[in-house]
Amino acid sequence: GQQLNQSPQSMFIQEGEDVSMNCTSSSIFNTWLWYKQDPGEGPVLLIALYKAGELTSNGRLTAQFGITRKDSFLNISASIPSDVGIYFCAGQGGGATNKLIFGTGTLLAVQP
Amino acid sequence: GAVVSQHPSWVICKSGTSVKIECRSLDFQATTMFWYRQFPKQSLMLMATSNEGSKATYEQGVEKDKFLINHASLTLSTLTVTSAHPEDSSFYICSATTHGRFSEQYFGPGTRLTVT
Repeated sequence: GQQLNQSPQSMFIQEGEDVSMNCTSSSIFNTWLWYKQDPGEGPVLLIALYKAGELTSNGRLTAQFGITRKDSFLNISASIPSDVGIYFCAGQGGGATNKLIFGTGTLLAVQP
Repeated sequence: GAVVSQHPSWVICKSGTSVKIECRSLDFQATTMFWYRQFPKQSLMLMATSNEGSKATYEQGVEKDKFLINHASLTLSTLTVTSAHPEDSSFYICSATTHGRFSEQYFGPGTRLTVT
């Protein structure tokens, strides 16, 4: 199935550092979403972006919907140990299906 | 609000047997439910989309006769893995959504299937 390219694949950082990850696609999406998944659990929505160029924040998280509608990035500022997990981007085409296409994921490890 | 549950949370079955996984929307009516499969250290891959009262739409490469999906009510969808084999061992996650262009998908906690 189709997947979005997400980078980096993994990150190992110190507590307090800022983190940036991005997601690119060959297709246009109407909505970009960022999820966090803890081991053995389902993904949890962090941020949803609905408009090209949109920049949205949720606490220490900031995400942007690329102007071309083919990419998005997520920044986490001042990382803390509980930020550890796998982060996935997802594109949604809109219309009747609401189908999500997920990125390949970024594993984040934060050392106290 | 918008809670989705899955049952069981984990299951171990023998090769050749069938396993049923339930996905329930607890506090809302889900017109559409999605089933994903996630292999270790990989991303979520959409298997099928089910709308209440109609046949599921399967993604390319997913065998509809092996992965039976029933969405009989607005709060329940089931996935039955028939004649399971070890390669079907995976983490199965469902999501549920209501109508609307910007409707959020609410994810369940997942079901870990191990086929021995």
